[in-house]
Amino acid sequence: AQKVTQAQTEISVVEKEDVTLDCVYETRDTTYYLFWYKQPPSGELVFLIRRNSFDEQNEISGRYSWNFQKSTSSFNFTITASQVVDSAVYFCALSDLVTPGGYQKVTFGTGTKLQVIP
Amino acid sequence: EPEVTQTPSHQVTQMGQEVILRCVPISNHLYFYWYRQILGQKVEFLVSFYNNEISEKSEIFDDQFSVERPDGSNFTLKIRSTKLEDSAMYFCASSSGTFAGYTFGSGTRLTVV
Repeated sequence: AQKVTQAQTEISVVEKEDVTLDCVYETRDTTYYLFWYKQPPSGELVFLIRRNSFDEQNEISGRYSWNFQKSTSSFNFTITASQVVDSAVYFCALSDLVTPGGYQKVTFGTGTKLQVIP
Repeated sequence: EPEVTQTPSHQVTQMGQEVILRCVPISNHLYFYWYRQILGQKVEFLVSFYNNEISEKSEIFDDQFSVERPDGSNFTLKIRSTKLEDSAMYFCASSSGTFAGYTFGSGTRLTVV
């Protein structure tokens, strides 16, 4: 069974601080995908990144960076120089590449609520 | 960029009433999904649908729930007799069969009173 753990329930930082959101996952599959989504107060899910299990290169996109470590089953997300607009709930998620039926089911963590204080 | 469209964005219904949540998946996608998020909790898988039948459903998806693709464009989730605990955000998603195009809609917030 798949499981995603986001141990940090809530984090508060002061604007311009860096913050790292932790994500630890469990899966028996060797091929899988990992995701991060942002959920602002308006409620929609905003896709941030998708990473497959064979690609352990870290990725940077502007102020966002992701550290994927297969050895520790972690996929952590860092926001550099945080801004008030970064305040949201962030979800880490995991999915098999493809099930025998051809569909993909995404398993979400419980989310980390980030509050950036001006 | 193609989008998954959900209507309405917010629906209020009385307990015991039937409700239908509507989704228009991305046009060339073949696989369709519903997820649910109770306020303050994680997003949970409800059901996947392919070739006009359910591929997999979770324990949450009991006999009160049904899904349908009534025409070539819409994908609906029906709750037959709503309960207070059905109040949640419901997300539709669709995919082409690969992760490159796995897309969530913006959600319908269902409030049962």
